[in-house]
Amino acid sequence: GAGVSQSPSNKVTEKGKDVELRCDPISGHTALYWYRQSLGQGLEFLIYFQGNSAPDKSGLPSDRFSAERTGGSVSTLTIQRTQQEDSAVYLCASIKPGVLNSPLHFGNGTRLTVT
Amino acid sequence: LAKTTQPISMDSYEGQEVNITCSHNNIATNDYITWYQQFPSQGPRFIIQGYKTKVTNEVASLFIPADRKSSTLSLPRVSLSDTAVYYCLVGLSGGYNKLIFGAGTRLAVHP
Repeated sequence: GAGVSQSPSNKVTEKGKDVELRCDPISGHTALYWYRQSLGQGLEFLIYFQGNSAPDKSGLPSDRFSAERTGGSVSTLTIQRTQQEDSAVYLCASIKPGVLNSPLHFGNGTRLTVT
Repeated sequence: LAKTTQPISMDSYEGQEVNITCSHNNIATNDYITWYQQFPSQGPRFIIQGYKTKVTNEVASLFIPADRKSSTLSLPRVSLSDTAVYYCLVGLSGGYNKLIFGAGTRLAVHP
C-alpha cells in the first residue's frame, strides 16, 4: 500500500484479555516505531525496530507489553492482561533510514478501549 | 536525547501568521529538527524539516538560529483548517534511534 496501515482501527476488549495490534509499514522502510497516545495527550514512545531487531525497548510500560517484527515488515504489538489504563490510541510509524530528510510516516492508529 | 519544549497552546485568527517556537537546548550535532501536524483521529504528518538557518516549503517555513537550541515554525496566513496539534521532533534524520516527541502545541484558529 501507499501508506502505513494499522489494524484494527478500533478495538474494544474486556479487562484481562490479551490484544494484538498490527502495523504494516511502507515497503522498503526498515525502521518502525510504536507510540501510544492517551486522550488529549502527546505521543509516548514505546519501542522501535531496525529491521527485525528492537535496539530500545525502554518505552514499553510494563512486561505485559511486547512487540515483534518479522521479515523486516509487519509488526505486532501485544498487550497481555489488558488494564483500563491501557486505553489509548496506538500509533505506528515507519521511516527509511539513511535518507536525508526522510520523515516518519504514521498510520492512523488503533484506538484501544479496555472496559 | 534532545528534549523539546513548546507552548501548550496558541490561538490565532484566519489570515494571520503564526509562529510556534520549540526549545531544544541539548540538541546534538547530527540531529535534525522536524515538525509534524496532527488532526484528531489521525496520525501526525510531516510538515517541514531542517538542520540550520531557514527552510521553506509550500506550507511553512522553519527558522533555526546559529546555536540550533531552538527553532520556529512559521505558518503564513492560517486558515481554520490549520487548527491542529503541532509537534517539534529532534533526532537523527532518517531513523537509527529512539525518537521522542514533546507535548506539542495545540493551535486553534478562529474565524
